[in-house]
Amino acid sequence: GAVVSQHPSWVICKSGTSVKIECRSLDFQATTMFWYRQFPKQSLMLMATSNEGSKATYEQGVEKDKFLINHASLTLSTLTVTSAHPEDSSFYICSARDQQGRFTEAFFGQGTRLTVV
Amino acid sequence: QKEVEQDPGPLSVPEGAIVSLNCTYSNSAFQYFMWYRQYSRKGPELLMYTYSSGNKEDGRFTAQVDKSSKYISLFIRDSQPSDSATYLCAMSVRTNAGKSTFGDGTTLTVKP
Repeated sequence: GAVVSQHPSWVICKSGTSVKIECRSLDFQATTMFWYRQFPKQSLMLMATSNEGSKATYEQGVEKDKFLINHASLTLSTLTVTSAHPEDSSFYICSARDQQGRFTEAFFGQGTRLTVV
Repeated sequence: QKEVEQDPGPLSVPEGAIVSLNCTYSNSAFQYFMWYRQYSRKGPELLMYTYSSGNKEDGRFTAQVDKSSKYISLFIRDSQPSDSATYLCAMSVRTNAGKSTFGDGTTLTVKP
């Protein structure tokens, strides 16, 4: 399978600051990446779909000004949580699809555990 | 009502047992069905991927899809302690561009 690397794996930040999370496809090009959020003992909730070179598509109820997504290249998408608050503390996971269509499914990164204090 | 329903468990079995994990769904447009395994504090790992009804086998894992009943299953034979994890079912309308809808996950513990 393909490899998706997510960084950092965990981060603690102060309330009011911004945090950037990176998602990289290491051995394939991904025109589409997805950002999910997962609360303890709950499933993955899709936040947005990130398309290379264009604006992200946000799911209903997700604040696009708070969760900034940039997909500047075929191997990198970033999620920036702006003015973070304790309620933003969660596990954030990205996934990516292979542009070449070698794989029909998406591959997930390791996830980033964000704690806002 | 959720589009995908999955019993959260927890499910505890002895080593060597056969495990059956299930999901039901309501959207008849779902065509692609996946099972992921997620260890604590890690991202999901794809286990099985199926398209259309029928069975698919990979080692100790068998995925089963019954579109007429809107029901999918994952069977794990000869379960091992290393199989202890949360198992998520996921479904999508399209692949390569579509997004997946996930179940809430079933937490499995295999006791030695």
